[in-house]
Amino acid sequence: DIQMTQSPSFLSASVGDRVTINCKASQNINKYLNWYQQKLGEAPKRLIYNTNNLQTGIPSRFSGSGSGTDYTLTISSLQPEDFATYFCLQHNSLYTFGAGTKLELK
Amino acid sequence: QVQLQQSGTELVKPASSVKISCKASGYTFTSNYMHWIRQQPGNGLEWIGWIYPGNGNTKYNQKFDGKATLTADKSSSTAYMQLSSLTSEDSAVYFCASRGFAYWGQGTLVTVSS
Repeated sequence: DIQMTQSPSFLSASVGDRVTINCKASQNINKYLNWYQQKLGEAPKRLIYNTNNLQTGIPSRFSGSGSGTDYTLTISSLQPEDFATYFCLQHNSLYTFGAGTKLELK
Repeated sequence: QVQLQQSGTELVKPASSVKISCKASGYTFTSNYMHWIRQQPGNGLEWIGWIYPGNGNTKYNQKFDGKATLTADKSSSTAYMQLSSLTSEDSAVYFCASRGFAYWGQGTLVTVSS
């Protein structure tokens, strides 16, 4: 089974900051990596699919990159509505989620 | 637009079973895998399994084999997940998701308590 190690678990930042969240797979996942945002009490929302494809309707301040085992979600300039939990999902071999990153206002 | 509407909160007793539904609309139900995911309080997400409604084929995470049973009704575009032999460890929010995990239901809270 593929394991996903997501870091950091918690991130404190301010509006306007640039932040990055990382996911490392236990083996090559061939760019089959999605990123999600989840707010309390809501369903997850897909932001990025297959490493770097922006979901329709998602602001361009969100971007994804990576290859092989290492993947990154970048938010270029944090907005107030971006404070939430983020997690990754690999779908190369069955499906494994990262443990999540809680992004908090500093 | 694509919508996945799940059934409501369940409070069930230990050792019992529960069946959650997920009604799909806005896309071709029979041509897309329906996934089920568990989110326990304070914990991350776990993939439970998928069903392909077109032919009823299923695939389960080994961890949930024997715990979850996935079915689908093509006539009503509704997917179901039955959870059996419930314990407190099964208390969680359960989501359905489809179209490559692009679309998610709102979640169903299952609480197992005597």
